[in-house]
Amino acid sequence: SQKIEQNSEALNIQEGKTATLTCNYTNYSPAYLQWYRQDPGRGPVFLLLIRENEKEKRKERLKVTFDTTLKQSLFHITASQPADSATYLCALGEGKLSFGAGTTVTVRA
Amino acid sequence: GAGVSQSPSNKVTEKGKDVELRCDPISGHTALYWYRQSLGQGLEFLIYFQGNSAPDKSGLPSDRFSAERTGGSVSTLTIQRTQQEDSAVYLCASSLAEGLANEKLFFGSGTQLSVL
Repeated sequence: SQKIEQNSEALNIQEGKTATLTCNYTNYSPAYLQWYRQDPGRGPVFLLLIRENEKEKRKERLKVTFDTTLKQSLFHITASQPADSATYLCALGEGKLSFGAGTTVTVRA
Repeated sequence: GAGVSQSPSNKVTEKGKDVELRCDPISGHTALYWYRQSLGQGLEFLIYFQGNSAPDKSGLPSDRFSAERTGGSVSTLTIQRTQQEDSAVYLCASSLAEGLANEKLFFGSGTQLSVL
């Protein structure tokens, strides 16, 4: 069956450090992979999309990698700030988007 | 509108009652999606619309769940004879094109449904 798995543990990091989140998938052959941010009581907000032929994509302090051989995407938040505290979801699909359960990041001041 | 609007934001109902959840997508977005998110869980796909038709209803949990979309705009998700396990946040999203994995979704803030 198809699965999307993200770090099951919440991530607590010190301000200024880099947070690295993992998204692994099985039984998908996605051409695209997306990352969303979700704050409590709100719907997810789109952050980044990466294509299968792109190894890496950056947006401000965010960096995403996509390894179709390992079936894995890594999401990095560099120079983290308390405002980065949220749950981060990866999403992919062939047609409708399916989402992972998310990883909750808390950045301590 | 400026964003995806969902109503009500909170709904408390008694077991066995019917509920209707409403979604007003971004103007011009042809695709509309319903997801369900239980506490601490990921998003569970329910149904998606392209215009007024629903090419993919595969995620609807049971025949107590139905959805419609009229005028290519507003959508209503109806849950009949609600059960306690239906308690969750119901999220609606819209996008410019249908069912394409490279299309980003714009989400509403959701309806928190509590079945007592």
